[in-house]
Amino acid sequence: QVQLQESGPGLVRPSGTLSLTCTVSGGSIGNYYWNWIRQSPGKGLEWIGSLYDSGSTNYNPSLKSRVTISVDTSKNQFSLRLNSVTAADTAVYYCAREGPVTTHLDYWGQGISVTVSS
Amino acid sequence: QSVLTQPSSVSGAPGQRVTISCTGSSSNIGAGYNVHWYQQLPGTAPKLLIYDNNNRPSGVPDRFSGSKSGTSASLAITGLQPDDEAHYYCQSYDTSLKKVFGGGTKLTVL
Repeated sequence: QVQLQESGPGLVRPSGTLSLTCTVSGGSIGNYYWNWIRQSPGKGLEWIGSLYDSGSTNYNPSLKSRVTISVDTSKNQFSLRLNSVTAADTAVYYCAREGPVTTHLDYWGQGISVTVSS
Repeated sequence: QSVLTQPSSVSGAPGQRVTISCTGSSSNIGAGYNVHWYQQLPGTAPKLLIYDNNNRPSGVPDRFSGSKSGTSASLAITGLQPDDEAHYYCQSYDTSLKKVFGGGTKLTVL
């Protein structure tokens, strides 16, 4: 059974960089797309971006200038970096797996709450 | 303002049937891209409920079904149960925006 686990700081200062890692267990990171999604308090889901195991990426145009998603296949992990954060970036961040020939997200992490505040 | 439009809330009594709509445009659902549905119980991560318009992952009861037509899709839940009370989100692909979600619908079981 594939499991995903987010990790990282729960508090980030304004104008700083949000850095999160998703560790994949129970399966290889290869041959799948790996996604980051966030949910602001009381709001809906927002797709941040995705990465294929080769390192190719796609980003939400509204966040593209501030986002980097990378992979470490040796550790079966992928990561999210979001620069120049503001209070609007306060959210629960989820990592999720996407199949190689489809666009649905079949496995999700439990989510990690990140607050942007001084 | 979400790219995919869902009603903010729906409700139904136990045993009844409810439907949740998801309306897109010619750049996403209308372009032929598949629609997926997720269920989010309070305080938990979203769970895949329907994929590729009308397919259920293993373990999802057949009380849940999906359909798609034109620029819209629908999720139907029959035999409504108290445990179905949750938020439901549709998701598709958009030629400009990549992966997009609906704003979510809160289902209340009366």
